[in-house]
Amino acid sequence: GAVVSQHPSWVICKSGTSVKIECRSLDFQATTMFWYRQFPKQSLMLMATSNEGSKATYEQGVEKDKFLINHASLTLSTLTVTSAHPEDSSFYICSAIRQPGSTDTQYFGPGTRLTVL
Amino acid sequence: GENVEQHPSTLSVQEGDSAVIKCTYSDSASNYFPWYKQELGKRPQLIIDIRSNVGEKKDQRIAVTLNKTAKHFSLHITETQPEDSAVYFCAANTGNQFYFGTGTSLTVIP
Repeated sequence: GAVVSQHPSWVICKSGTSVKIECRSLDFQATTMFWYRQFPKQSLMLMATSNEGSKATYEQGVEKDKFLINHASLTLSTLTVTSAHPEDSSFYICSAIRQPGSTDTQYFGPGTRLTVL
Repeated sequence: GENVEQHPSTLSVQEGDSAVIKCTYSDSASNYFPWYKQELGKRPQLIIDIRSNVGEKKDQRIAVTLNKTAKHFSLHITETQPEDSAVYFCAANTGNQFYFGTGTSLTVIP
């Protein structure tokens, strides 16, 4: 149990287009999901915390208008990279927890590799 | 691709005891192994890391060991304290991607 999926796993787009990445908890309800960004050979960077039914909490330095996060249901959070540019090329990873208020394991999605040409 | 397995998924220890978390990886090209600690609602914090040319690294109460031949690495926390309670996850890096373990929920019982 506790499976988190991401779609797509890999996307290539042209500069200026928008890309939506989906994160789903397949067999549990996730009130909180996290979005990470990862550059090669660098540590995981938390971009934002997505709470179902409320606005996402963005980390310092992450542009809210650039990375739109929606967590409309207990099983789905989406990250939209708007007007993508080559510097947005990265690996985006989501994760989800089942029970806020407890120290629950964070279940990660398999990640989405974004390449912006 | 790389496959990182982490065990156990949950771990409870008495305060003052040691805690050990183990990870295995599959890709021999992995060369960097960080460990993260995450407290509820907070960002994961890198607590220690080790590179493939090192077998052991220690930072106060935290140590990490790496066995490249066996493709496993472990996190050791000694003299555990209640504030060590958190979720820990390991990762393996092949150079382009981090592959994470599924996390270990550590509870230190006062």
